[in-house]
Amino acid sequence: KAGVTQTPRYLIKTRGQQVTLSCSPISGHRSVSWYQQTPGQGLQFLFEYFSETQRNKGNFPGRFSGRQFSNSRSEMNVSTLELGDSALYLCASSLGLDRNTGELFFGEGSRLTVL
Amino acid sequence: LAKTTQPISMDSYEGQEVNITCSHNNIATNDYITWYQQFPSQGPRFIIQGYKTKVTNEVASLFIPADRKSSTLSLPRVSLSDTAVYYCLVGDAIRGYGQNFVFGPGTRLSVLP
Repeated sequence: KAGVTQTPRYLIKTRGQQVTLSCSPISGHRSVSWYQQTPGQGLQFLFEYFSETQRNKGNFPGRFSGRQFSNSRSEMNVSTLELGDSALYLCASSLGLDRNTGELFFGEGSRLTVL
Repeated sequence: LAKTTQPISMDSYEGQEVNITCSHNNIATNDYITWYQQFPSQGPRFIIQGYKTKVTNEVASLFIPADRKSSTLSLPRVSLSDTAVYYCLVGDAIRGYGQNFVFGPGTRLSVLP
C-alpha cells in the first residue's frame, strides 16, 4: 500500500511569508504527527492530530499550526516565516489506536528554505 | 517523557556486529522503547520495538534489562548501507496517545569497508 506522502518536497520562501505543507497518511491511519528537523536541533515534535483533533503539541510558537481533515490528511502552516524556520519538515502517520505497536511511518519530508 | 542518552557517533567495519546503547533512566511503566534508522534527506524508518527482555526481528535485536533503564540495539554483520543515524525513543506507544516521542540527537553510525 502507498506510504506517507508529503507535498511539496522542496520549497523556497522569503521572510514574512507563510507556507502550507500537506501530508497524506497511510490509508487507515488516523494519527498524523509533524516534526521539524534541523542540523542544530535535530528532530523536534511539533504536534499530533488524531481524528481531526490536536492531541499533543510541542514547544513551538503559535506561528506553527496544523489541522487534520476527515480523511485523515493533514496540513501544517507556518506564518510570518523566519530564517530559522528553514528545515526539513517530516510527517508521520500511525494507527493511533490502543493495542497497536505505535510504529510511526514517516514521509520523505518537505524541505523548506527561507531566504 | 523519558529523556534518552545515546553515543553521538560510532564507527564499525563491514561484517562486524554493532551494539548501540541508549540510557533512559526515567522510563515510565507504560513506556515502550523504539528504535528508528534515518538516512540523509529521508524520514526515519522503524527498526524494532520492545518493552522488556529481548526482541528480535529480521534486521536487529533489542536487549532490555530488567530495570529497563537502558536498552541496546544490536545490528548483526553490518554493511556499508547501514551507515545512518539511529534514534532511540521512549514513549507510551501502545496506548496510541501522546505520540510525541522525543527524538534525541541519535547515534551516527559509520560503517567502513
